[in-house]
Amino acid sequence: AQSVTQPDIHITVSEGASLELRCNYSYGATPYLFWYVQSPGQGLQLLLKYFSGDTLVQGIKGFEAEFKRSQSSFNLRKPSVHWSDAAEYFCAVAVKAAGNKLTFGGGTRVLVKP
Amino acid sequence: EPEVTQTPSHQVTQMGQEVILRCVPISNHLYFYWYRQILGQKVEFLVSFYNNEISEKSEIFDDQFSVERPDGSNFTLKIRSTKLEDSAMYFCASRGRLELSSYNEQFFGPGTRLTVL
Repeated sequence: AQSVTQPDIHITVSEGASLELRCNYSYGATPYLFWYVQSPGQGLQLLLKYFSGDTLVQGIKGFEAEFKRSQSSFNLRKPSVHWSDAAEYFCAVAVKAAGNKLTFGGGTRVLVKP
Repeated sequence: EPEVTQTPSHQVTQMGQEVILRCVPISNHLYFYWYRQILGQKVEFLVSFYNNEISEKSEIFDDQFSVERPDGSNFTLKIRSTKLEDSAMYFCASRGRLELSSYNEQFFGPGTRLTVL
């Protein structure tokens, strides 16, 4: 069965600084990879996704992620963080053979300092 | 832009009562899912549904849970006898047809917060 690890539970970053959130997955083949953002009390918003092809994917709100097969990683980055980026971020994987059900990581809460 | 909707946004119930959470998936979608997020925890898969039957369910989805697509638009999750530990945010998601470019992507609703007292 697939699993997802987000090693950082909390990250605090200054506004304007860069941000990188780590995600590692465990699965025999390359799954479909996703990053979602959740603001307090809100639903899940898709930031970006990777199915195949170019390993650097661009998403909404200035986010990008890079798939590295050798490291089984799909890290999320943003060059310059805005106060509105404070939220919880979830990495998720889906496997076609498992009906594309999503397996989520534990999430990383991002705090933005002024 | 089409979206998944869920009602109610917040449901409060007494332990032992039955609740039905409702979802209206995107209209041309064929695959439907329920997920749960207990406060402060990660999102967990409950069940997937395709062609009017359950495709897969997690160990969380025991006999107290059921899903139904009673008509062409609604997708419901029923909890027969709620427990305190069922308190969570419940998300519905849907996924489209093979010929759509977004076939492998699930679209989430805003969630229903269930509080069991």
